[in-house]
Amino acid sequence: AQSVSQHNHHVILSEAASLELGCNYSYGGTVNLFWYVQYPGQHLQLLLKYFSGDPLVKGIKGFEAEFIKSKFSFNLRKPSVQWSDTAEYFCAVQSYNTDKLIFGTGTRLQVFP
Amino acid sequence: EPEVTQTPSHQVTQMGQEVILRCVPISNHLYFYWYRQILGQKVEFLVSFYNNEISEKSEIFDDQFSVERPDGSNFTLKIRSTKLEDSAMYFCASSPRPPSGLNTGELFFGEGSRLTVL
Repeated sequence: AQSVSQHNHHVILSEAASLELGCNYSYGGTVNLFWYVQYPGQHLQLLLKYFSGDPLVKGIKGFEAEFIKSKFSFNLRKPSVQWSDTAEYFCAVQSYNTDKLIFGTGTRLQVFP
Repeated sequence: EPEVTQTPSHQVTQMGQEVILRCVPISNHLYFYWYRQILGQKVEFLVSFYNNEISEKSEIFDDQFSVERPDGSNFTLKIRSTKLEDSAMYFCASSPRPPSGLNTGELFFGEGSRLTVL
């Protein structure tokens, strides 16, 4: 069965620090990969997605993620976080023959000024 | 920007009662979904719906759950007899395209309906 692991459950950073959130998935076939963000009191919003092509994808708000197929990973990065990045971040995988998303447990990011 | 809307934002109910959660997907979307998130846990897939029928459902989606698109705009999730463990945030989502290999559609989520079962 497909699964997604997010190893960092709670990350606390100061503004301007660099961010990397880990995401690993288990699925042997072709997948699409997503990072969603949920700001406090708001709905899930798409940060970025990988379907094919360049494994380094850029999303909104300065976020990027790199798909490393050999490691089954899709880590999220941002070189310099802001207080407004405080939110919950979810990695998700979508397999080739379905559009069902399998989510990770989420990482809560707190950024202090 | 079009968005998925959900009502109610919060519902409190007694165990054993029926609950209907409502969603208005984005108007030109074709696929509809319900996900749920129990407090502190991951977002879990419940069901997907396309062309007026369930296309896929999880093991969570048992006989107590049903979905309906009654009027071409609303998409509802009904829980017939709620249990304590049904307490969760329920997210509706819609997608513009059905599965088509690598170019499956992005899901757009609503803000969620928080269900509290007492």
